[in-house]
Amino acid sequence: SAVISQKPSRDICQRGTSLTIQCQVDSQVTMMFWYRQQPGQSLTLIATANQGSEATYESGFVIDKFPISRPNLTFSTLTVSNMSPEDSSIYLCSVDSGGVGYTFGSGTRLTVV
Amino acid sequence: AQSVSQHNHHVILSEAASLELGCNYSYGGTVNLFWYVQYPGQHLQLLLKYFSGDPLVKGIKGFEAEFIKSKFSFNLRKPSVQWSDTAEYFCASRHGSSNTGKLIFGQGTTLQVKP
Repeated sequence: SAVISQKPSRDICQRGTSLTIQCQVDSQVTMMFWYRQQPGQSLTLIATANQGSEATYESGFVIDKFPISRPNLTFSTLTVSNMSPEDSSIYLCSVDSGGVGYTFGSGTRLTVV
Repeated sequence: AQSVSQHNHHVILSEAASLELGCNYSYGGTVNLFWYVQYPGQHLQLLLKYFSGDPLVKGIKGFEAEFIKSKFSFNLRKPSVQWSDTAEYFCASRHGSSNTGKLIFGQGTTLQVKP
């Protein structure tokens, strides 16, 4: 299965600032997925990132708040913009590793103060 | 819309008790189903998955799940739990015929096993 490197692993940010999370995969993949896991909650899909096209956002998530880049088939970034304490979560990227299912990054634990 | 529902939010069992966690999905077409586990402070791990074929799927650590299409269910079972099974369990689904490939998660079930 694919191996994902995600960074930073954690950060503490001031409200009103932005944080960019990077996700690097060791193989080429068509789609990459970004999830949010709020404290004590399940994983919620933010968006699907395809190379060469705009990301597809799920209901409740917008590009202005969570801009995504996908410059090639092994890399993607998610930016959390104009942060507030409600954005404190774990953010994860994921790829479909085919027959073995989905592989998840180690996550970015974001705390907004 | 695609959705996954887990009925048990918090389950407390004693060691050696049997476990069954409920999961229902909403999609009526071809579906792929997954169970993930998240141990305290750790990453998501895949327990088992169902794509097609034998509806009784065996996973790691003695877990199994049964796909019952008529009930839209994919319940997770383990005959005898251990204290080390204390974790958060997530059921997830994906449209099998969809090229979007997105994985949708249920709300999760917290399992606490008492020694």
